Amino acid sequence: SQQGEEDPQALSIQEGENATMNCSYKTSINNLQWYRQNSGRGLVHLILIRSNEREKHSGRLRVTLDTSKKSSSLLITASRAADTASYFCATAGGTSYGKLTFGQGTILTVHP
Amino acid sequence: NAGVTQTPKFQVLKTGQSMTLQCAQDMNHNSMYWYRQDPGMGLRLIYYSASEGTTDKGEVPNGYNVSRLNKREFSLRLESAAPSQTSVYFCASSARTGWESTGELFFGEGSRLTVL
Repeated sequence: SQQGEEDPQALSIQEGENATMNCSYKTSINNLQWYRQNSGRGLVHLILIRSNEREKHSGRLRVTLDTSKKSSSLLITASRAADTASYFCATAGGTSYGKLTFGQGTILTVHP
Repeated sequence: NAGVTQTPKFQVLKTGQSMTLQCAQDMNHNSMYWYRQDPGMGLRLIYYSASEGTTDKGEVPNGYNVSRLNKREFSLRLESAAPSQTSVYFCASSARTGWESTGELFFGEGSRLTVL
């Protein structure tokens, strides 16, 4: 079964707008990661946030983690058409020794 | 910088045929993984190898076998392919492993398998 559940399943916005994707999970974790997948390509790591961290930034990306609610969000500011992709959260730790468990992903479309 | 290399990129099989997907990484990573991705779903772990010489089942291991040939290479074998194994297969590697620590995964570009 999937550890992460992402919301929304699909998001369509205009260039320049912010995009927010949410991820919920069920068990305790050591860290949570976000990945991006362009159509027909492999996944690319974006950012990792540890369970003792609440917020992390990387360029136009901002990730928050609320372990009490078992949820995380990924914010992409000032979106560009090139940000069009699928975004996945993945959790590590707890009972998932040495491996990541992925959510089903959010498909983001940014219109020029 | 090759990273993680998968072969073949595309393959069509008939039901009952066998094949092996090859994966190699040049980053000296300890851990390697095989995932499958089906339309509208996330990635599901088939098998993983935390370190050279060890392999463990993931979420969906039935119908597959793996071999960690050496630190660089991790192959996935379908002994008798079934239509339900039509999917995109991704190999990945990671530098870190441990009971509570799995770091960033580096993915290959995928192998697209169709079983007729």
